[in-house]
Amino acid sequence: KAGVTQTPRYLIKTRGQQVTLSCSPISGHRSVSWYQQTPGQGLQFLFEYFSETQRNKGNFPGRFSGRQFSNSRSEMNVSTLELGDSALYLCASSLYKREVHEQFFGPGTRLTVL
Amino acid sequence: ELKVEQNPLFLSMQEGKNYTIYCNYSTTSDRLYWYRQDPGKSLESLFVLLSNGAVKQEGRLMASLDTKARLSTLHITAAVHDLSATYFCAVEREDFGNEKLTFGTGTRLTIIP
Repeated sequence: KAGVTQTPRYLIKTRGQQVTLSCSPISGHRSVSWYQQTPGQGLQFLFEYFSETQRNKGNFPGRFSGRQFSNSRSEMNVSTLELGDSALYLCASSLYKREVHEQFFGPGTRLTVL
Repeated sequence: ELKVEQNPLFLSMQEGKNYTIYCNYSTTSDRLYWYRQDPGKSLESLFVLLSNGAVKQEGRLMASLDTKARLSTLHITAAVHDLSATYFCAVEREDFGNEKLTFGTGTRLTIIP
């Protein structure tokens, strides 16, 4: 079974630009979550989508947005990039059984903002 | 707001020794997860702990959960170099009907030959 895939793997942008990251979940998984990982702040939750609806949202500014498509693939967008947005962005998918919300992570997209 | 704290943050230990990583959290939760992350890589799921008193073991790693103490431990037995990685615990809680994972700070484990 194929794992979670994320594209692109590496990205370099300049301040003020916008970026779109893509995530394809494990087949059959309908929940997709996004996390930002930085050395200073650790792993921080961005948002979660389930059946094309945002179910949860972390404490990030409105510049961070996402969406999910009918095939469960998800994208996240960051507009007006700032230097502090440089991070590893991880996507995780979950089968979302009632008792277990185990998440399986993709390889991540490393975003560098210059 | 749920807070998840791990200690130690950094751990350097010799091969063959035993040690424990602690994960404390601030609000009631019955579900806790442990993940491993190798440098430059993504997170790999290690254990899912679903109830008070749950204990899971895989190789030299054993995880346990005490929901009353709001504490989970990851015990390493007779450490080997391959276990060098960063270990995260993550606590799940229900937030307005939706489950949400909050990750700990991570423990960077280095096994010295």
